[in-house]
Amino acid sequence: AQKITQTQPGMFVQEKEAVTLDCTYDTSDPSYGLFWYKQPSSGEMIFLIYQGSYDQQNATEGRYSLNFQKARKSANLVISASQLGDSAMYFCAMREGGSQGNLIFGKGTKLSVKP
Amino acid sequence: GAGVSQSPSNKVTEKGKDVELRCDPISGHTALYWYRQSLGQGLEFLIYFQGNSAPDKSGLPSDRFSAERTGGSVSTLTIQRTQQEDSAVYLCASSLDRPSYEQYFGPGTRLTVT
Repeated sequence: AQKITQTQPGMFVQEKEAVTLDCTYDTSDPSYGLFWYKQPSSGEMIFLIYQGSYDQQNATEGRYSLNFQKARKSANLVISASQLGDSAMYFCAMREGGSQGNLIFGKGTKLSVKP
Repeated sequence: GAGVSQSPSNKVTEKGKDVELRCDPISGHTALYWYRQSLGQGLEFLIYFQGNSAPDKSGLPSDRFSAERTGGSVSTLTIQRTQQEDSAVYLCASSLDRPSYEQYFGPGTRLTVT
């Protein structure tokens, strides 16, 4: 079974509107971390936001927020006021346990922002 | 400060040849990771180094793949007897010593096996 599932291969959003990118995860470990990365066409991986499994509040970083629903095992990324530069691949990832172990990535969602 | 650097940026090799890919992590980062990304896919974990501990090699796809990290800094990923299915972008990342800390990625090495 996949540990990280991103069900939207591609998404379109109008500039200045908000968009939600879906991510569900599967783990039996009570301690885990959830990450979102952006990968523009240039290829670099850019860290966006982090949510720990014990964090009480949803994480926010500027225009990015993470809608963390622990019981549903979902960690959706919300981008507010989309900009043309937000067009990229977005990857959800999970680290299990309290260690610095590797990240487990989903297959990604390609976001296209329309002017 | 300087980010994670990788070399070469591109490598074309013939099937059956060995290749070495290099990663220079961010200074002071104790953890170093190798991933590979096939065309249009997510990242696949290969190997992870943490300080002086034995590396986690659980993601290596075959015994043709190996990696070492010298002096707790620079790392080299070696692929022996390359196959066409090894063609991918190989990404290196490093991080500080807290589970919540993000991994900083290098620009990757695009490997093409002909």
